[in-house]
Amino acid sequence: GIQVEQSPPDLILQEGANSTLRCNFSDSVNNLQWFHQNPWGQLINLFYIPSGTKQNGRLSATTVATERYSLLYISSSQTTDSGVYFCAVAQTWGKNNAGNMLTFGGGTRLMVKP
Amino acid sequence: GAVVSQHPSWVICKSGTSVKIECRSLDFQATTMFWYRQFPKQSLMLMATSNEGSKATYEQGVEKDKFLINHASLTLSTLTVTSAHPEDSSFYICSAGTGERDHEQYFGPGTRLTVT
Repeated sequence: GIQVEQSPPDLILQEGANSTLRCNFSDSVNNLQWFHQNPWGQLINLFYIPSGTKQNGRLSATTVATERYSLLYISSSQTTDSGVYFCAVAQTWGKNNAGNMLTFGGGTRLMVKP
Repeated sequence: GAVVSQHPSWVICKSGTSVKIECRSLDFQATTMFWYRQFPKQSLMLMATSNEGSKATYEQGVEKDKFLINHASLTLSTLTVTSAHPEDSSFYICSAGTGERDHEQYFGPGTRLTVT
């Protein structure tokens, strides 16, 4: 199956710093999503971005599908940004369009210090 | 955005008993839902795909007789952990999509299961 690798696995930032998280995947995909898992375990949808660039406030993401990677940028980090960031991808699967089964990367554990 | 709920949010049960977890899509219909398991400090692993009106499809290594999945309607899927053992203790998360091709998935808040 498809492999998804995220880097770095752990990241410690001082509040106000910027960061870039990377997601590499081993095959072509039809779906790529970035999530933030909060301390209670809830996965928050950040971006649905199989290709191109999107921005939402201090966060932005870029996926270069032809080179099989995606980047998540966090600017002016805040303590509330702490948590685990997951990248997940999906490939088209079967005739019943159940192609959204996601394969998750290992995650980047971010800690933002005040 | 689309909302997915799960119930209960946490449960403690004794070894040998069964536990049922519900996953509901609140404001959309989901012909397909997915069940994931997450152990502490690890990533999410897909357990099974739940299809409305048909049998679930299980990932390799997941015991279908232990993890019973029923997708009774377009808004409800249930996961029953039968004869639970301490090693089944984990965080179980469901997801659903709106059914549009290659659209994003929305996740429930998860259920933390502890088997004593």
